[in-house]
Amino acid sequence: GAGVSQSPSNKVTEKGKDVELRCDPISGHTALYWYRQRLGQGLEFLIYFQGNSAPDKSGLPSDRFSAERTGESVSTLTIQRTQQEDSAVYLCASSASGVSMHEQYFGPGTRLTVT
Amino acid sequence: AQSVAQPEDQVNVAEGNPLTVKCTYSVSGNPYLFWYVQYPNRGLQFLLKYITGDNLVKGSYGFEAEFNKSQTSFHLKKPSALVSDSALYFCAVRNTGGFKTIFGAGTRLFVKA
Repeated sequence: GAGVSQSPSNKVTEKGKDVELRCDPISGHTALYWYRQRLGQGLEFLIYFQGNSAPDKSGLPSDRFSAERTGESVSTLTIQRTQQEDSAVYLCASSASGVSMHEQYFGPGTRLTVT
Repeated sequence: AQSVAQPEDQVNVAEGNPLTVKCTYSVSGNPYLFWYVQYPNRGLQFLLKYITGDNLVKGSYGFEAEFNKSQTSFHLKKPSALVSDSALYFCAVRNTGGFKTIFGAGTRLFVKA
């Protein structure tokens, strides 16, 4: 079946512009996560959505970052007034409910470069 | 607060030798522990998990990991390394109360033929 998809795969933007990153989770997966991976570093948790519960936004680094998810489908991560330190790969993951709820399936990521 | 430490940036082993990639964690309550692998030019893949039960868990590609509660460790092991195991390995932890998952900084494994 189809995996997690993300778009765009690459995004180059000028400092100060807004960007929107998209994630399509695996169909039926109730949980969705966003992470940031800076070059040569580990994954930094940003936010997760679980069903209709309030999202855990505790990892968002500033109020320039926001994310939305419509039901159990597509999610968008928006970064306003981008800064050079926002340059990173943004990864999305989804997971199912039940016995497989702990296994996250990752998308290929969006590489964001802020010039 | 949850945290994960992978004390080695890089591990080098010869093909056919056993390998260990170390991970220690800190979490309130009981942990859920995970290993993920990132191959070059490919996305992150789930390898194995510890939720409850046997301390030794087996996963994909012949990997296994041992949960040690007293040492708060979850080291990844494989009896005989392959060149194709060369990749970036991430340990992750979550507490039983939620879904927020914290990843370690990663350990790059090089297996030499």
